[in-house]
Amino acid sequence: KQEVTQIPAALSVPEGENLVLNCSFTDSAIYNLQWFRQDPGKGLTSLLLIQSSQREQTSGRLNASLDKSSGRSTLYIAASQPGDSATYLCAVRPVDSSYKLIFGSGTRLLVRP
Amino acid sequence: EAGVAQSPRYKIIEKRQSVAFWCNPISGHATLYWYQQILGQGPKLLIQFQNNGVVDDSQLPKDRFSAERLKGVDSTLKIQPAKLEDSAVYLCASSLRSGALNTGELFFGEGSRLTVL
Repeated sequence: KQEVTQIPAALSVPEGENLVLNCSFTDSAIYNLQWFRQDPGKGLTSLLLIQSSQREQTSGRLNASLDKSSGRSTLYIAASQPGDSATYLCAVRPVDSSYKLIFGSGTRLLVRP
Repeated sequence: EAGVAQSPRYKIIEKRQSVAFWCNPISGHATLYWYQQILGQGPKLLIQFQNNGVVDDSQLPKDRFSAERLKGVDSTLKIQPAKLEDSAVYLCASSLRSGALNTGELFFGEGSRLTVL
C-alpha cells in the first residue's frame, strides 16, 4: 500500500532563506508526483508536476526534484518571502488501475518578515 | 479560464441532518474527484468519476455518502445522516481525463467546509 510522508510537519524560517521541503513515498511504481500549495481556508493550488521519467521541474523560485528509485522528492524554495507562508502538500499517482492521487499530510511553512 | 467551482463554501449542521455539496469542474475536464480533508491531514479520495461513470468509490462510506454526476459535467456529494466525524473540508477536483494518456494534473476548487455539531 502506497504511503506518503512529509517531514517536517511544520517549519518556520526568516525571510530570504532558501529552504527544502521533503516528501517520501513507499512504492516507487508511480506515474507522477505533484506538489500543491494550500492557504488557510482555501483549496489546493498546483505548483509543479513531475512525470516519473523526469528528474526535476522548475517554476520561478520553486524547483522540485524526483528520485523515484529512493522514493523521495524535494521542493526547493529560493529566497523565501512571507507570501510563501502556506501548507505544502505532495501527492503521488501510483501505477495501478485507479490512478488516484495519494497525499502526504503536508508541511506547514511560516516565513517570518 | 474559469476554475473548479464549489458551493456552499461553509455549512454547519447538527448530527443526523443531511447536507449536499455541488461542484462544477473546469470546462472540458472529463474526470472529476471528490476528496475529504480532515484538519491536519492530507486529502483522501472519496470518489472519482470519468464522464458520468464511477471509476473508484472504494473509500466512500456508502451507508451515508452518495455522489452523482449526471450528464458528465457538474456533480453533487450528499451526506445523510451526518456524523461528528464528517466534519472536514470537501474538495472537488478535475482533470482532463484519467489513464496513461493524461498528464495527471489535478485542479482543485476552494472546498466546502462542513462542521457537524
